[in-house]
Amino acid sequence: GAVVSQHPSWVICKSGTSVKIECRSLDFQATTMFWYRQFPKQSLMLMATSNEGSKATYEQGVEKDKFLINHASLTLSTLTVTSAHPEDSSFYICSARRAYEFETQYFGPGTRLLVL
Amino acid sequence: ELKVEQNPLFLSMQEGKNYTIYCNYSTTSDRLYWYRQDPGKSLESLFVLLSNGAVKQEGRLMASLDTKARLSTLHITAAVHDLSATYFCAVDKEKDSNYQLIWGAGTKLIIKP
Repeated sequence: GAVVSQHPSWVICKSGTSVKIECRSLDFQATTMFWYRQFPKQSLMLMATSNEGSKATYEQGVEKDKFLINHASLTLSTLTVTSAHPEDSSFYICSARRAYEFETQYFGPGTRLLVL
Repeated sequence: ELKVEQNPLFLSMQEGKNYTIYCNYSTTSDRLYWYRQDPGKSLESLFVLLSNGAVKQEGRLMASLDTKARLSTLHITAAVHDLSATYFCAVDKEKDSNYQLIWGAGTKLIIKP
């Protein structure tokens, strides 16, 4: 199987601090990773697409300076929520696609962020 | 613009009954996916449908795809409580040499004993 992990799974932080979330593909190389956020009882909203070694492509309305994405290797992408505010509280989910396998995105378990 | 619509958005039903969830999409796409999400959890892949007329079954769930009608269905047979979850359909869209998933709003399914 293809396993994607996220760390941490839960984080509570104070307003104004930055939070880094890691997304790792444990047993495969992920040329493309996706970051989503999900509000309660809503569908997933794609934030950005990141390809290894290049800059992330952000969706319209997503602040690049607010949500910093780094896809430094074929197994790791990070999302940093800078100067977090309560409205950034959400469920963040990453997914990864294997090289040459366009059919399937493998989802991480998600990170729940609560900003006080 | 590619849009994906699910129907119904919420469904409460009794165990043992059958029901179908519908997923319509607005433009052609190569792949359609069904996912399951339990409360507080991430997504679990159920089915990937690749071609017109594709039908896949896993246990009490069966998914089908009609690319001409741009319609996929997820049929639940003799529902059991364990199938309570939110079900999402999603369609692939190519953008800038990458494939993105365009998501339906989800169908929250509650199955009562």
